[in-house]
Amino acid sequence: AQSVTQLDSQVPVFEEAPVELRCNYSSSVSVYLFWYVQYPNQGLQLLLKYLSGSTLVESINGFEAEFNKSQTSFHLRKPSVHISDTAEYFCAVSNPGGYNKLIFGAGTRLAVHP
Amino acid sequence: DTAVSQTPKYLVTQMGNDKSIKCEQNLGHDTMYWYKQDSKKFLKIMFSYNNKELIINETVPNRFSPKSPDKAHLNLHINSLELGDSAVYFCASSRSAGGEQYFGPGTRLTVT
Repeated sequence: AQSVTQLDSQVPVFEEAPVELRCNYSSSVSVYLFWYVQYPNQGLQLLLKYLSGSTLVESINGFEAEFNKSQTSFHLRKPSVHISDTAEYFCAVSNPGGYNKLIFGAGTRLAVHP
Repeated sequence: DTAVSQTPKYLVTQMGNDKSIKCEQNLGHDTMYWYKQDSKKFLKIMFSYNNKELIINETVPNRFSPKSPDKAHLNLHINSLELGDSAVYFCASSRSAGGEQYFGPGTRLTVT
């Protein structure tokens, strides 16, 4: 069975500071990994994904995540956050050929303060 | 144009009632999903359909019945609503081969 652990339920940070949101997964098979963002009272938007290839993936708004197979991690980073990055961030895993069922972590609330 | 749409956005009803939530996607995807997000923001898959065929059916009370009239629609019918059914329900879609899922805006169901 697959599972996802997001170690921090809340991460407060000041504007323009760097941030890392941690995600660890457990799986006995190969995985696809995702980060989704949920702004207040909205649906989920895909932020970035790892399917194969380069282990470092980037989003268009400055976030990046690195797939580390040995540490079974997929941490999300941004070198300088903005107030508008305040949201709930979900890490998720699925396995290739496994009906694409997404298993989500519990979420991390990123709160950016001025 | 909205890729994945859900109606209604808000639904307030009393215990024991029967209600439906509708979902439509215009992305040409083959696979659609229903997820439930509880009050603690935890997301869990409920059902998935591929080309109108049920392929994922998690441990969900049989009061919940999904219906897919065609590849672009996946509706969720809930009988005999209970207080614990209060949550946000998200519809999503993807290509059948896997990859990212696109989510709808959610339906906030409140059972009183």
